Amino acid sequence: GDSVTQTEGLVTLTKGLPVMLNCTYQTTYSPFLFWYVQHLNEAPKLLLKSSTDNKRTEHQGFYATLHKSSSSFHLQKSSVQLSDSALYFCALSDNMGYKLTFGTGTSLLVDP
Amino acid sequence: GPKVLQIPSHQIIDMGQMVTLNCDPVSNHLYFYWYKQILGQQMEFLVNFYNGKVMEKSKLFKDQFSVERPDGSYFTLKIQPTALEDSAVYFCASSFMDTLYFGAGTRLSVL
Repeated sequence: GDSVTQTEGLVTLTKGLPVMLNCTYQTTYSPFLFWYVQHLNEAPKLLLKSSTDNKRTEHQGFYATLHKSSSSFHLQKSSVQLSDSALYFCALSDNMGYKLTFGTGTSLLVDP
Repeated sequence: GPKVLQIPSHQIIDMGQMVTLNCDPVSNHLYFYWYKQILGQQMEFLVNFYNGKVMEKSKLFKDQFSVERPDGSYFTLKIQPTALEDSAVYFCASSFMDTLYFGAGTRLSVL
């Protein structure tokens, strides 16, 4: 079945530094990838999404590129802020998001 | 942005009791979902629902689970009877097309 792998459970960074959160996936279908961000005691919110190979998508300073050749959709930001501290989930759908398969999530902690 | 409301935010019940988790989805959305998250683990798909019917359910969606959306009101997840392993945070979501909007979750504690 479908699966999503996020290798980092916790990433701790100093404000202003760049970050990359890893996401790889496995599916037999044409993939549709999502990044969701969840702040403490809040609902998960969509950050980015893509189904287009090799096209960078951006939102709120975060960006990611779907690479079907390597089955990856890594999340990046050039300069993290304190407010970026949250839990980040990568998710996969095979059919326009009607059923999402989530990764285990990466906690990002940004220090002053 | 669009908001999904979940009521209550926290529910504590004794094992064997029935519990109903309520979800108020975004008004024009057509698809509804329940996900389960045990502390520190990933969100796992339970079920999705469209046009009054279950579309797909996972193996986590036990026989004791049921969902409905009577008269277009709340989308509910009922567990009867509850078991200790049902303790988790349950997230409701709704969508119109490809983007799911999630509620903040209901933390269910089964004692």
